[in-house]
Amino acid sequence: GNSVTQMEGPVTLSEEAFLTINCTYTATGYPSLFWYVQYPGEGLQLLLKATKADDKGSNKGFEATYRKETTSFHLEKGSVQVSDSAVYFCALTGTRPQNSGGSNYKLTFGKGTLLTVNP
Amino acid sequence: DGGITQSPKYLFRKEGQNVTLSCEQNLNHDAMYWYRQDPGQGLRLIYYSQIVNDFQKGDIAEGYSVSREKKESFPLTVTSAQKNPTAFYLCASSSGGGLETQYFGPGTRLLVL
Repeated sequence: GNSVTQMEGPVTLSEEAFLTINCTYTATGYPSLFWYVQYPGEGLQLLLKATKADDKGSNKGFEATYRKETTSFHLEKGSVQVSDSAVYFCALTGTRPQNSGGSNYKLTFGKGTLLTVNP
Repeated sequence: DGGITQSPKYLFRKEGQNVTLSCEQNLNHDAMYWYRQDPGQGLRLIYYSQIVNDFQKGDIAEGYSVSREKKESFPLTVTSAQKNPTAFYLCASSSGGGLETQYFGPGTRLLVL
Protein backbone atom coordinates (compact mmCIF):
# COMPACT_ATOMS: atom_id res chain seq x y z
CA GLY A 1 0.00 0.00 0.00
CA ASN A 2 0.87 3.67 -0.03
CA SER A 3 3.14 5.13 2.60
CA VAL A 4 4.82 8.42 3.48
CA THR A 5 8.09 8.77 5.37
CA GLN A 6 9.18 12.16 6.66
CA MET A 7 12.17 13.15 8.73
CA GLU A 8 11.74 12.73 12.41
CA GLY A 9 11.81 15.77 14.60
CA PRO A 10 11.90 17.77 16.51
CA VAL A 11 13.67 20.32 14.37
CA THR A 12 14.90 23.44 16.15
CA LEU A 13 16.13 26.46 14.19
CA SER A 14 16.98 30.06 14.80
CA GLU A 15 14.95 32.76 13.11
CA GLU A 16 16.00 33.41 9.48
CA ALA A 17 17.60 29.97 9.15
CA PHE A 18 17.01 27.74 6.13
CA LEU A 19 14.50 24.92 6.56
CA THR A 20 14.33 21.54 4.88
CA ILE A 21 11.95 18.79 5.94
CA ASN A 22 12.44 15.63 3.93
CA CYS A 23 9.51 13.59 2.67
CA THR A 24 9.60 10.45 0.54
CA TYR A 25 6.71 8.30 -0.52
CA THR A 26 5.72 4.91 -1.86
CA ALA A 27 2.67 4.83 -4.10
CA THR A 28 1.24 3.19 -7.15
CA GLY A 29 0.21 5.34 -10.06
CA TYR A 30 0.38 9.10 -9.90
CA PRO A 31 -0.58 10.46 -6.49
CA SER A 32 -1.11 14.08 -5.57
CA LEU A 33 1.23 15.31 -2.83
CA PHE A 34 0.49 17.72 -0.01
CA TRP A 35 2.05 19.52 2.91
CA TYR A 36 -0.25 20.37 5.80
CA VAL A 37 0.64 22.45 8.86
CA GLN A 38 -0.85 22.07 12.34
CA TYR A 39 -0.50 24.80 14.95
CA PRO A 40 -0.87 23.81 18.62
CA GLY A 41 -4.38 22.68 19.50
CA GLU A 42 -5.72 23.28 16.01
CA GLY A 43 -6.75 21.32 12.95
CA LEU A 44 -4.66 20.91 9.83
CA GLN A 45 -4.27 23.67 7.27
CA LEU A 46 -3.25 23.02 3.70
CA LEU A 47 0.14 24.61 3.12
CA LEU A 48 0.83 23.61 -0.48
CA LYS A 49 0.25 20.83 -2.98
CA ALA A 50 1.45 19.40 -6.29
CA THR A 51 -0.54 17.15 -8.55
CA LYS A 52 1.97 15.92 -11.13
CA ALA A 53 5.66 15.25 -11.57
CA ASP A 54 7.94 18.32 -11.58
CA ASP A 55 5.17 20.56 -10.25
CA LYS A 56 6.28 23.01 -7.59
CA GLY A 57 3.86 23.94 -4.87
CA SER A 58 4.47 27.18 -2.99
CA ASN A 59 2.81 29.27 -0.31
CA LYS A 60 3.93 31.73 2.38
CA GLY A 61 7.57 31.32 1.36
CA PHE A 62 7.44 27.52 1.57
CA GLU A 63 8.15 25.41 -1.51
CA ALA A 64 8.15 21.74 -2.44
CA THR A 65 8.79 20.05 -5.79
CA TYR A 66 7.18 16.76 -6.85
CA ARG A 67 10.10 14.53 -7.83
CA LYS A 68 8.86 11.28 -9.27
CA GLU A 69 12.34 9.94 -10.03
CA THR A 70 13.30 10.13 -6.35
CA THR A 71 9.71 9.76 -5.01
CA SER A 72 10.26 12.84 -2.88
CA PHE A 73 8.45 16.04 -1.93
CA HIS A 74 10.81 17.90 0.40
CA LEU A 75 9.57 21.07 2.08
CA GLU A 76 11.87 24.12 2.06
CA LYS A 77 11.83 27.68 3.25
CA GLY A 78 14.66 30.12 2.87
CA SER A 79 14.16 32.10 6.07
CA VAL A 80 11.96 30.79 8.87
CA GLN A 81 10.11 32.93 11.39
CA VAL A 82 9.02 32.24 14.95
CA SER A 83 5.43 32.08 13.67
CA ASP A 84 6.37 29.04 11.53
CA SER A 85 6.67 26.91 14.66
CA ALA A 86 4.20 24.06 14.15
CA VAL A 87 3.93 20.41 13.14
CA TYR A 88 4.27 19.74 9.43
CA PHE A 89 2.69 16.72 7.74
CA CYS A 90 3.49 15.34 4.33
CA ALA A 91 0.61 13.46 2.71
CA LEU A 92 -0.47 11.86 -0.51
CA THR A 93 -3.71 10.84 -2.09
CA GLY A 94 -4.54 8.65 -5.00
CA THR A 95 -5.37 5.29 -3.48
CA ARG A 96 -8.84 3.93 -2.92
CA PRO A 97 -9.72 3.41 0.76
CA GLN A 98 -10.51 -0.10 1.86
CA ASN A 99 -13.83 -1.51 0.63
CA SER A 100 -14.24 1.46 -1.65
CA GLY A 101 -16.88 1.26 -4.33
CA GLY A 102 -16.56 4.87 -5.34
CA SER A 103 -14.11 7.40 -6.58
CA ASN A 104 -12.93 9.17 -3.44
CA TYR A 105 -9.41 8.74 -2.24
CA LYS A 106 -8.01 8.84 1.27
CA LEU A 107 -5.03 10.84 2.44
CA THR A 108 -2.02 8.87 3.65
CA PHE A 109 0.01 10.91 6.14
CA GLY A 110 3.54 10.89 7.42
CA LYS A 111 3.98 11.02 11.19
CA GLY A 112 4.64 14.73 11.27
CA THR A 113 7.70 16.85 12.03
CA LEU A 114 7.66 19.34 14.89
CA LEU A 115 9.43 22.58 13.99
CA THR A 116 10.43 25.06 16.67
CA VAL A 117 11.88 28.41 15.62
CA ASN A 118 13.65 30.45 18.28
CA PRO A 119 14.03 34.24 18.12
CA ASP B 1 -17.09 32.66 5.78
CA GLY B 2 -17.14 29.11 4.52
CA GLY B 3 -15.55 26.43 6.61
CA ILE B 4 -15.79 23.36 8.77
CA THR B 5 -16.89 23.49 12.38
CA GLN B 6 -16.45 20.79 14.97
CA SER B 7 -17.96 20.64 18.42
CA PRO B 8 -17.28 20.36 21.21
CA LYS B 9 -13.63 21.34 21.41
CA TYR B 10 -13.14 18.97 24.37
CA LEU B 11 -15.26 15.94 25.22
CA PHE B 12 -15.10 13.63 28.20
CA ARG B 13 -16.35 10.07 28.06
CA LYS B 14 -17.15 7.76 30.94
CA GLU B 15 -16.64 4.03 30.76
CA GLY B 16 -19.39 2.30 28.76
CA GLN B 17 -20.72 5.54 27.36
CA ASN B 18 -21.33 6.44 23.74
CA VAL B 19 -20.44 9.98 22.71
CA THR B 20 -21.09 11.88 19.50
CA LEU B 21 -18.77 14.39 17.84
CA SER B 22 -20.30 16.97 15.56
CA CYS B 23 -18.95 18.07 12.17
CA GLU B 24 -20.67 20.66 10.00
CA GLN B 25 -19.49 22.25 6.74
CA ASN B 26 -20.89 25.08 4.64
CA LEU B 27 -18.50 24.61 1.72
CA ASN B 28 -21.08 22.70 -0.33
CA HIS B 29 -18.67 19.77 -0.41
CA ASP B 30 -19.93 16.33 -1.35
CA ALA B 31 -17.31 14.28 0.48
CA MET B 32 -16.60 14.25 4.21
CA TYR B 33 -14.08 12.32 6.31
CA TRP B 34 -13.21 11.50 9.90
CA TYR B 35 -9.60 11.02 11.00
CA ARG B 36 -8.05 10.10 14.31
CA GLN B 37 -4.74 11.60 15.44
CA ASP B 38 -2.62 10.09 18.21
CA PRO B 39 0.51 11.74 19.66
CA GLY B 40 3.54 11.38 17.43
CA GLN B 41 1.56 9.76 14.65
CA GLY B 42 -0.02 10.83 11.45
CA LEU B 43 -3.73 10.80 10.88
CA ARG B 44 -5.67 7.59 10.30
CA LEU B 45 -8.99 7.39 8.42
CA ILE B 46 -12.00 6.20 10.40
CA TYR B 47 -14.93 6.70 8.00
CA TYR B 48 -15.67 8.66 4.88
CA SER B 49 -18.77 9.63 2.93
CA GLN B 50 -18.98 10.58 -0.72
CA ILE B 51 -22.65 11.51 -0.77
CA VAL B 52 -25.68 11.84 1.48
CA ASN B 53 -26.95 8.54 2.91
CA ASP B 54 -23.78 6.71 1.95
CA PHE B 55 -20.56 6.11 3.90
CA GLN B 56 -17.65 3.67 3.90
CA LYS B 57 -15.30 2.28 6.52
CA GLY B 58 -11.76 3.54 6.61
CA ASP B 59 -8.75 1.83 8.12
CA ILE B 60 -9.79 1.93 11.79
CA ALA B 61 -13.62 1.88 11.82
CA GLU B 62 -14.06 -0.62 14.67
CA GLY B 63 -15.79 0.96 17.65
CA TYR B 64 -17.07 3.95 15.66
CA SER B 65 -20.26 4.73 13.75
CA VAL B 66 -21.37 7.59 11.50
CA SER B 67 -24.40 8.91 9.67
CA ARG B 68 -24.81 11.25 6.70
CA GLU B 69 -28.42 12.40 6.61
CA LYS B 70 -27.58 15.90 5.36
CA LYS B 71 -24.90 17.12 3.00
CA GLU B 72 -23.61 19.58 5.59
CA SER B 73 -23.33 17.20 8.52
CA PHE B 74 -21.29 14.07 9.29
CA PRO B 75 -21.45 13.18 13.01
CA LEU B 76 -19.16 10.54 14.48
CA THR B 77 -20.21 8.35 17.42
CA VAL B 78 -17.53 6.78 19.54
CA THR B 79 -19.13 3.70 21.02
CA SER B 80 -18.30 1.77 24.19
CA ALA B 81 -16.72 -0.86 21.94
CA GLN B 82 -13.84 1.53 21.23
CA LYS B 83 -11.46 0.56 24.02
CA ASN B 84 -8.89 3.28 23.48
CA PRO B 85 -10.83 6.38 22.44
CA THR B 86 -8.51 9.05 23.82
CA ALA B 87 -7.30 10.98 20.77
CA PHE B 88 -7.73 14.12 18.70
CA TYR B 89 -10.49 13.72 16.11
CA LEU B 90 -10.43 15.68 12.88
CA CYS B 91 -13.18 16.08 10.34
CA ALA B 92 -12.43 17.02 6.75
CA SER B 93 -14.31 17.64 3.54
CA SER B 94 -13.56 17.86 -0.17
CA SER B 95 -15.51 18.98 -3.18
CA GLY B 96 -15.83 15.57 -4.73
CA GLY B 97 -14.15 12.46 -5.90
CA GLY B 98 -10.78 12.00 -7.47
CA LEU B 99 -7.82 13.81 -6.03
CA GLU B 100 -9.53 16.86 -4.59
CA THR B 101 -7.90 18.70 -1.70
CA GLN B 102 -9.28 17.92 1.73
CA TYR B 103 -9.94 20.78 4.15
CA PHE B 104 -9.95 20.21 7.89
CA GLY B 105 -11.93 21.43 10.87
CA PRO B 106 -10.37 22.55 14.18
CA GLY B 107 -10.72 19.14 15.85
CA THR B 108 -12.26 17.64 18.99
CA ARG B 109 -10.12 16.24 21.77
CA LEU B 110 -11.74 13.22 23.44
CA LEU B 111 -10.64 12.20 26.91
CA VAL B 112 -11.75 9.27 29.03
CA LEU B 113 -12.69 9.86 32.67
